[in-house]
Amino acid sequence: GQNIDQPTEMTATEGAIVQINCTYQTSGFNGLFWYQQHAGEAPTFLSYNVLDGLEEKGRFSSFLSRSKGYSYLLLKELQMKDSASYLCAVRAIGGYQKVTFGTGTKLQVIP
Amino acid sequence: DVKVTQSSRYLVKRTGEKVFLECVQDMDHENMFWYRQDPGLGLRLIYFSYDVKMKEKGDIPEGYSVSREKKERFSLILESASTNQTSMYLCASSLYRELAKNIQYFGAGTRLSVL
Repeated sequence: GQNIDQPTEMTATEGAIVQINCTYQTSGFNGLFWYQQHAGEAPTFLSYNVLDGLEEKGRFSSFLSRSKGYSYLLLKELQMKDSASYLCAVRAIGGYQKVTFGTGTKLQVIP
Repeated sequence: DVKVTQSSRYLVKRTGEKVFLECVQDMDHENMFWYRQDPGLGLRLIYFSYDVKMKEKGDIPEGYSVSREKKERFSLILESASTNQTSMYLCASSLYRELAKNIQYFGAGTRLSVL
């Protein structure tokens, strides 16, 4: 099975930088996803890591260390619209492309 | 853009009723998934399908069944709804390509209340 752990809630200030961590345990790692979910809406894809290192996409970056079972999502120049839940999800080898989601981190951006 | 459409945003049903939740995707995706989302528990996989008429149990299949008669449509069935099935239900779809991201695209969700 898989075990994914991320903080339940975080608060950060508009314009600042925030890092959301995700640790996981899985057999046969085959990729890690970050999704954003605004309240009452569907999750939307943010980033994907399968190799160690940093993937940058505009204000958002995601980092992966497979040996440590660790990832983080970095959000820069925070905006009020970044207030949302951020879901970490891990895919294992086999299993027909299914992923296991963490419980999500609810980020509140304050002025 | 990928579009995943769930037939209802809100549903209210009574205990013991048979409930159908429908999901349609327009991108010819092979994989389709049904999740439920509850506070503090996150997204949990109920069932998924990797091809027409094919299905696999997820982590919490008890009390649910699914049907995939056509590639674009994946239905979740609650044979006899119970109050503990009150939840937000999310459908998703993805491509199946080796060594690819195979991002999951989600529908807007159906909030089901069982009274």
